Amino acid sequence: RKEVEQDPGPFNVPEGATVAFNCTYSNSASQSFFWYRQDCRKEPKLLMSVYSSGNEDGRFTAQLNRASQYISLLIRDSKLSDSATYLCVVWVQAGTALIFGKGTTLSVSS
Amino acid sequence: ETGVTQTPRHLVMGMTNKKSLKCEQHLGHNAMYWYKQSAKKPLELMFVYSLEERVENNSVPSRFSPECPNSSHLFLHLHTLQPEDSALYLCASSQERQLGDTQYFGPGTRLTVL
Repeated sequence: RKEVEQDPGPFNVPEGATVAFNCTYSNSASQSFFWYRQDCRKEPKLLMSVYSSGNEDGRFTAQLNRASQYISLLIRDSKLSDSATYLCVVWVQAGTALIFGKGTTLSVSS
Repeated sequence: ETGVTQTPRHLVMGMTNKKSLKCEQHLGHNAMYWYKQSAKKPLELMFVYSLEERVENNSVPSRFSPECPNSSHLFLHLHTLQPEDSALYLCASSQERQLGDTQYFGPGTRLTVL
């Protein structure tokens, strides 16, 4: 089983749509979780951290389900500028590096 | 944004060439990383340096040789590469390696091996 798994997509949605991405991780000892965003031919950048209680940043909502070992990202009112690849990232413990998923590609069209 | 810079941005090399990739971070971070990103694959961690000491090497072939002369600079020396080594090579830095800190990436070097 891969350490971090994501549906690669692509997800093609119209502007204004709500879209959700899920991610599962294999190591139950994982401590920290993040969503990074990578635009086409650009470097990944942190979008938001994911907290146990769930957290929201504008149109973006991230949730964590430790029992099922999955993380989700919800994007409301999609904009053209949201088109990118969204990377699910997990950190297990001190002394180890971040583990990146393959990413889910989102394409928002007018 | 110029927090992490990489040069060159694009590189084409033959299998017998020797070249080096350069990364510089201006964020005062203590940890630096080299990643390889190939199409349809997740980011692959290659090397990790913490305070200029190599702390992790994920079984990378010896044709890739990292160098970290100080906490702000990181190099990746390349020699006798194979066509399958063609990929985007990303450098990143973070405040500390062991705390799961946010990683800041450079723009990457797109490498093509002929």
